[in-house]
Amino acid sequence: DSGVTQTPKHLITATGQRVTLRCSPRSGDLSVYWYQQSLDQGLQFLIQYYNGEERAKGNILERFSAQQFPDLHSELNLSSLELGDSALYFCASTPGTPTDTQYFGPGTRLTVL
Amino acid sequence: AQKVTQAQTEISVVEKEDVTLDCVYETRDTTYYLFWYKQPPSGELVFLIRRNSFDEQNEISGRYSWNFQKSTSSFNFTITASQVVDSAVYFCALSFSGGYQKVTFGTGTKLQVIP
Repeated sequence: DSGVTQTPKHLITATGQRVTLRCSPRSGDLSVYWYQQSLDQGLQFLIQYYNGEERAKGNILERFSAQQFPDLHSELNLSSLELGDSALYFCASTPGTPTDTQYFGPGTRLTVL
Repeated sequence: AQKVTQAQTEISVVEKEDVTLDCVYETRDTTYYLFWYKQPPSGELVFLIRRNSFDEQNEISGRYSWNFQKSTSSFNFTITASQVVDSAVYFCALSFSGGYQKVTFGTGTKLQVIP
């Protein structure tokens, strides 16, 4: 158990809908990272938050947004869903220093029908 | 632009054999970071190692070792005396930043260790 939790584990929804994925980092970890793993695109970095502030953006679509709350949990919001958004979404956390080990959550599998 | 190539799509070895997973990268940055991750059949991602471009010293951790060669832009991963539990997809990744953000992943190498 990495200590990073993600909910829900599975999510099935329809095109055009909006969903929210939740990530709770390990206790005390300030940085949260979001990744997408799909058959088409492989593994991609989406976005990073550090102590509530956005730190880095990767290949995140404009339809997607994220935030990190004062209790350090993070949410990834996906809207106007398309079939191609079907993927495994991982979050990971680190305490925040550059040499930290990164710990991943179990992922949320999103299926868009 | 950064690129990571893992030319080996799938590898099968018999338990106790040594196996090397290749990773070749392209970057114009002089400072960069290389990573390896493991994704077992259960699906979770596991961070294995992070190495910066100034440190070409090879690293060994138990049965795992990593060979970083700047001259050939490679960061290969060797598993000695492989075990069934090593069966997984292994991803090599590259980042120009110090942290884990803006990482470019390779397509992964699926390793099957046969008992």
